[in-house]
Amino acid sequence: DIQMTQSPSSLSAFVGDRVTITCRASQTISSYLNWYQQKPGKAPKLLIFAASSLQSGVPSRFSGSGSGTDFTLTISSLQPEDFATYYCQQSYSTPYTFGQGTKLEIK
Amino acid sequence: QVQLQESGPGLVKPSQTLSLTCTVSGGSISSGDYYWSWIRQPPGKGLEWIGYIYYSGSTDYNPSLKSRVTISVDTSKKQFSLKLSSVTAADTAVYYCARVGYTTMVYFDYWGQGTLVTVSS
Repeated sequence: DIQMTQSPSSLSAFVGDRVTITCRASQTISSYLNWYQQKPGKAPKLLIFAASSLQSGVPSRFSGSGSGTDFTLTISSLQPEDFATYYCQQSYSTPYTFGQGTKLEIK
Repeated sequence: QVQLQESGPGLVKPSQTLSLTCTVSGGSISSGDYYWSWIRQPPGKGLEWIGYIYYSGSTDYNPSLKSRVTISVDTSKKQFSLKLSSVTAADTAVYYCARVGYTTMVYFDYWGQGTLVTVSS
């Protein structure tokens, strides 16, 4: 199985801050990397697919980059509704696997 | 707008079989561009992919669960289902169904709200 490792596991930031979350795959996955946002009690929501493609309806302050084994999710200016847990997920091969999550909290 | 809705018992006894159904509305379950998947999340933990099914009935399962999992589809009812046998407390989780976009890239683009299944006697 391909292991996905996110860092940091948790992060505190202010509204308006620029935030970057990283995700590393245990082997190369090309651009088969997706990012999801999950709020408490809710299903995950697709933000970014194919490493850098913004899902329809997702604000442009979210962006993704990377290929191979190293990827980043950037939020350019944090808004109050962005405080949530973020997961990366590889779709290069089954079994599809997720990172352990990054919990983004208000400072 | 595609919507998915899980249904099934919220409490299952140890060693029994967990059975859930996902009903799809607002779109076709028989579209060739999509697979249909189950994902679970133990309380306070991360996400685990269980498996997926194509409308034709072809499946792929997570090897960690493969011996206990069956996913089936009923296109006439626009439903797909999950059966997980010989459950233990470790199978307690929120179970989500999701649509898998499967063109040049693969991603879970629509999710059900999730249903908590507790394994307990």
